Amino acid sequence: DTAVSQTPKYLVTQMGNDKSIKCEQNLGHDTMYWYKQDSKKFLKIMFSYNNKELIINETVPNRFSPKSPDKAHLNLHINSLELGDSAVYFCASSQAGVGQPQHFGDGTRLSIL
Amino acid sequence: DQQVKQNSPSLSVQEGRISILNCDYTNSMFDYFLWYKKYPAEGPTFLISISSIKDKNEDGRFTVFLNKSAKHLSLHIVPSQPGDSAVYFCAAVQAGTALIFGKGTTLSVSS
Repeated sequence: DTAVSQTPKYLVTQMGNDKSIKCEQNLGHDTMYWYKQDSKKFLKIMFSYNNKELIINETVPNRFSPKSPDKAHLNLHINSLELGDSAVYFCASSQAGVGQPQHFGDGTRLSIL
Repeated sequence: DQQVKQNSPSLSVQEGRISILNCDYTNSMFDYFLWYKKYPAEGPTFLISISSIKDKNEDGRFTVFLNKSAKHLSLHIVPSQPGDSAVYFCAAVQAGTALIFGKGTTLSVSS
């Protein structure tokens, strides 16, 4: 039973398109996250939501808009895709509280042509 | 500026020996440090963590040591097994802020 699942696993699209990545967790966690792993393999936080409310937004372009319909879901919508958006995007969840371990999905590899 | 640094991109160890993965940090306000393991095409998996008020935490074959004066932590894996071959990420967090990851160290354990 997958704890944090994200779809799709692979996404190949052209510059200028709009795309969405979905994430769902069945762990009952209060907090969900989106990370970007770029070509240099750095994992960087993009957004964090706690009980459907945005708590962290790490200077991500406005073209990226997270949406949390409920605390088990955190979707990522990206407008006007650019070449630099090519990366692996990871969703994660955790209990609230500093130091709580985060559980990650298997990532979505986004390739912009 | 990187607040969490893993200066060794790779480490090779023989099966049964000890693996020591190192991590340095610059922010003395970090409250917790965590280690994650990552296999190709999978997400990172939590391994072990340590609070900034402790200097050692052990879980089975995995032990994390924290040296606050040196702003350094290390993950020891004893004994190493081929299944431990993966990328290991060190991460740190301060209350109210996001988890910050190092760049990772690729561990290869040969049988």
